[in-house]
Amino acid sequence: NAGVMQNPRHLVRRRGQEARLRCSPMKGHSHVYWYRQLPEEGLKFMVYLQKENIIDESGMPKERFSAEFPKEGPSILRIQQVVRGDSAAYFCASAGFEGPGNEQFFGPGTRLTVL
Amino acid sequence: GENVEQHPSTLSVQEGDSAVIKCTYSDSASNYFPWYKQELGKGPQLIIDIRSNVGEKKDQRIAVTLNKTAKHFSLHITETQPEDSAVYFCSTGGGNKLTFGTGTQLKVEL
Repeated sequence: NAGVMQNPRHLVRRRGQEARLRCSPMKGHSHVYWYRQLPEEGLKFMVYLQKENIIDESGMPKERFSAEFPKEGPSILRIQQVVRGDSAAYFCASAGFEGPGNEQFFGPGTRLTVL
Repeated sequence: GENVEQHPSTLSVQEGDSAVIKCTYSDSASNYFPWYKQELGKGPQLIIDIRSNVGEKKDQRIAVTLNKTAKHFSLHITETQPEDSAVYFCSTGGGNKLTFGTGTQLKVEL
């Protein structure tokens, strides 16, 4: 019973390039969350998705960032025209149901470095 | 929005001693309080959680207390062991997303 999977684990991009981060939730989970962790800081919520729907994107920067969770395949967090400030660890979590008290299981993260 | 403060930021204890980490929150609508442990290079792992209808919960060497009136909750680890060394995050949930504290680096020394 595999946990939440993320790939790549490490990603290096030059300024102006695009970064694509993938997340496969736990089997049977249809709720996906993306969080960003800057060095020496806690995790910050970015976006919450269910299959084919964005439910809450209140933590997403207005520009350059987008997320999707298609009917088939992993959830994708896409960052266009990356800047050095985008360097961080990006974590995906999944849950089996929505609402308060839903345990979120985290993946190992993707560490993005922008040169 | 919710604001979660966590103290201390670093904590060193001798093996076998107890460790206590405290958090306060601002949103009275928060009703779910999970604690996560994060080891270097890994994702956060849930170690214990408590819901607002409970004041205390214990799981072996780990316990969490919640004071909803004062809006604070604490993590207690007894008989600490070297493998407890990690970063611990408190968090709150009232809807679907979690709001995290800034973390406590716990070091258990031999």
